[in-house]
Amino acid sequence: DAGVTQSPTHLIKTRGQQVTLRCSPKSGHDTVSWYQQALGQGPQFIFQYYEEEERQRGNFPDRFSGHQFPNYSSELNVNALLLGDSALYLCASSLATGSNEKLFFGSGTQLSVL
Amino acid sequence: GEDVEQSLFLSVREGDSSVINCTYTDSSSTYLYWYKQEPGAGLQLLTYIFSNMDMKQDQRLTVLLNKKDKHLSLRIADTQTGDSAIYFCAESIGGYQKVTFGTGTKLQVIP
Repeated sequence: DAGVTQSPTHLIKTRGQQVTLRCSPKSGHDTVSWYQQALGQGPQFIFQYYEEEERQRGNFPDRFSGHQFPNYSSELNVNALLLGDSALYLCASSLATGSNEKLFFGSGTQLSVL
Repeated sequence: GEDVEQSLFLSVREGDSSVINCTYTDSSSTYLYWYKQEPGAGLQLLTYIFSNMDMKQDQRLTVLLNKKDKHLSLRIADTQTGDSAIYFCAESIGGYQKVTFGTGTKLQVIP
């Protein structure tokens, strides 16, 4: 049973460019959340997708957008990249009707903005 | 509001017990979690506790929750070198599974 998979593992972009990160949830999970983890910090919630819609959003600008597909996989898009967007981007999946609130994380995509 | 705080660093000798502490500010937290992150890896859920519980034990891990003081702790018995990692305390509120993380405690185990 594959866990949460993310691609690519590493990415280098320059300021002003756009980036798309991808996530496949754990088998059986229907909800995908995205987190940004800056160096030396804890993960910060970006947004969550369920039934192909954004259900909750953290304190991130509109440059950060996402999408969920019918197979529950998800993409995170960041436009007009800034140096401060350099971070580890983590995807987490869960089951919306689960009896407890367990998130399973992928290994992340390390984004470097030069 | 949501805010989760942890001490930054803890060093223990192999075989000793480790205690990692965390404070949170939102009294409406539903679940409280401990995650482990090893270098270059994602987050691994170690254990969690529901907010109406005081204690939970899972093999070498013991979680204590003091809801009055909004204090959560993780005790690792017989700490091993493989336990060296960053440990994150986290909380979630309600049913939408948004999780708020602390800044992490780096645990160093000395052989």
